[in-house]
Amino acid sequence: ETGVTQTPRHLVMGMTNKKSLKCEQHLGHNAMYWYKQSAKKPLELMFVYSLEERVENNSVPSRFSPECPNSSHLFLHLHTLQPEDSALYLCASSQDQGFNQPQHFGDGTRLSIL
Amino acid sequence: AQSVAQPEDQVNVAEGNPLTVKCTYSVSGNPYLFWYVQYPNRGLQFLLKYITGDNLVKGSYGFEAEFNKSQTSFHLKKPSALVSDSALYFCAVRVETGANNLFFGTGTRLTVIP
Repeated sequence: ETGVTQTPRHLVMGMTNKKSLKCEQHLGHNAMYWYKQSAKKPLELMFVYSLEERVENNSVPSRFSPECPNSSHLFLHLHTLQPEDSALYLCASSQDQGFNQPQHFGDGTRLSIL
Repeated sequence: AQSVAQPEDQVNVAEGNPLTVKCTYSVSGNPYLFWYVQYPNRGLQFLLKYITGDNLVKGSYGFEAEFNKSQTSFHLKKPSALVSDSALYFCAVRVETGANNLFFGTGTRLTVIP
């Protein structure tokens, strides 16, 4: 599926670096999401945007900063990360926030913190 | 609190045999249930959903799932497994009220043996 594109696919960074993850959806959806996927744990919802407004922030540390400049693009700005932040970060989108709407996922960014 | 349990970390099945991947849920309110599949180095792909109506729902790639309200279960099934079905499967639930969260299970790795 190429509806949701994430770049880069892999990222290695030191704890003092600043980097950004990018997500772009080509599905005309109005809601976008950031998830963290760690081994043996359920996916953790980080942020939800609807029509470019943040509607959910699940107690995510401030070293993660999302940005949604328009309904097709979503960024996750990273700074001063910790080793436990190493994970697969998934972006998703859905038509809207309706409870019956499936979410469409990108292939993720594999993040490794040195 | 809402939660999803996938009691089996790993399921092995011979090619051509029927497969079942188990999921139980705990929610307050009416559940909206989803199954996703994740292939190596890829994001999650939507397979099927239960919203209301017929308890047996059919989805992509020949998969189906049965909603059982009394047992609070939503097991994924396929009559005849293919080697290409080998992947990580996630069950997820949303509810009509409260937070805008899609709650995921920890995933079940399905291996289809040729």
